[in-house]
Amino acid sequence: EDQVTQSPEALRLQEGESSSLNCSYTVSGLRGLFWYRQDPGKGPEFLFTLYSAGEEKEKERLKATLTKKESFLHITAPKPEDSATYLCAVQDRRETSGSRLTFGEGTQLTVNP
Amino acid sequence: DSGVTQTPKHLITATGQRVTLRCSPRSGDLSVYWYQQSLDQGLQFLIQYYNGEERAKGNILERFSAQQFPDLHSELNLSSLELGDSALYFCASNRDGFYEQYFGPGTRLTVT
Repeated sequence: EDQVTQSPEALRLQEGESSSLNCSYTVSGLRGLFWYRQDPGKGPEFLFTLYSAGEEKEKERLKATLTKKESFLHITAPKPEDSATYLCAVQDRRETSGSRLTFGEGTQLTVNP
Repeated sequence: DSGVTQTPKHLITATGQRVTLRCSPRSGDLSVYWYQQSLDQGLQFLIQYYNGEERAKGNILERFSAQQFPDLHSELNLSSLELGDSALYFCASNRDGFYEQYFGPGTRLTVT
């Protein structure tokens, strides 16, 4: 069974204080690892897809990296508007799984001005 | 705005009742997914449809059912509702050749 564990559960940063969020995963055969941002009461917003170990993707202050066992979401010089819950999800290659995403519990990030 | 629409936004109903949630995928997307997000369980996959056919099932209760219509919109039917069914229900969609899924704004279901 696919599993995704995210840490920390919650993270408070000062504006400009860089940090990283962790996503550890277990999957029989990884098709893709996904990062989403979710604001309270809203639907998850797609950020990145990573397909293979060593891959990196960047968008503004966010950079996602992937190894064979985990992914990191690095946040550089965050701003208050980066406050949200960040979700990690995996998709495995098995036919029986269809294209479902298995999500972690998320990291709730708060950036104080 | 992801392009995925869901109605209604909020639904309040009593235990034992039946409700229908509706989802319209992004234009051109053939796959529709339903997820449930509750406080204690995070986002859980319920079911996937592809071009009208069921493709994959998660831990979806027997009281829940879904279908995808020829115009590709989908409906999730929840019956014999219990207090524990209170949650946010999200629909997502994607197109062939792309794995990322785009989520709608969700329907918040409250069972009293």
